[in-house]
Amino acid sequence: GESVGLHLPTLSVQEGDNSIINCAYSNSASDYFIWYKQESGKGPQFIIDIRSNMDKRQGQRVTVLLNKTVKHLSLQIAATQPGDSAVYFCAEAMDSSYKLIFGSGTRLLVRP
Amino acid sequence: DGGITQSPKYLFRKEGQNVTLSCEQNLNHDAMYWYRQDPGQGLRLIYYSQIVNDFQKGDIAEGYSVSREKKESFPLTVTSAQKNPTAFYLCASTPRGDLPYGYTFGSGTRLTVV
Repeated sequence: GESVGLHLPTLSVQEGDNSIINCAYSNSASDYFIWYKQESGKGPQFIIDIRSNMDKRQGQRVTVLLNKTVKHLSLQIAATQPGDSAVYFCAEAMDSSYKLIFGSGTRLLVRP
Repeated sequence: DGGITQSPKYLFRKEGQNVTLSCEQNLNHDAMYWYRQDPGQGLRLIYYSQIVNDFQKGDIAEGYSVSREKKESFPLTVTSAQKNPTAFYLCASTPRGDLPYGYTFGSGTRLTVV
């Protein structure tokens, strides 16, 4: 069975509520930030990204907020659904590099 | 459909054995990557290849080896020198090897030492 995320912080929300998942990133020089969703036994899927010259970006039911002052990234999911249950990772990178630096992830559990 | 295919999905290795994990992409991406994922941790880079016939060590390359003879393929061998190989292994690719955009991940291989 799937063992990724056994020791991860967990956010439990009621179906239909909004979810906010937080991430502290490490490099003040990072130019680019991404949120990934990883379901059990699968690879990460791209959700949304944001560049360092932006504070906010919206997608379908998701919003990413970037606070460069405190090196904080958040993912907001509106009207959370059971299919949103997964592990969510943030990642950061510099434009000059191929390399993504991943956070350790947060497990989102949606209660019916 | 374009994508990355990893095989097998599950793999069991005996102590002292070498095993090879397959990664194939039909996205025409230049760069390919191997990551290791352990419980409670983010993805850690094992090896990467920015172009055919070239590859570099990542952060945790010890006990692993790779080859990049074709653009589409980037197999990872877990050798007997890797002391704790039980983990979830993810392959990824990007269109260009010098920029962090457009990462596509495979569905992973779970390796267990028995």
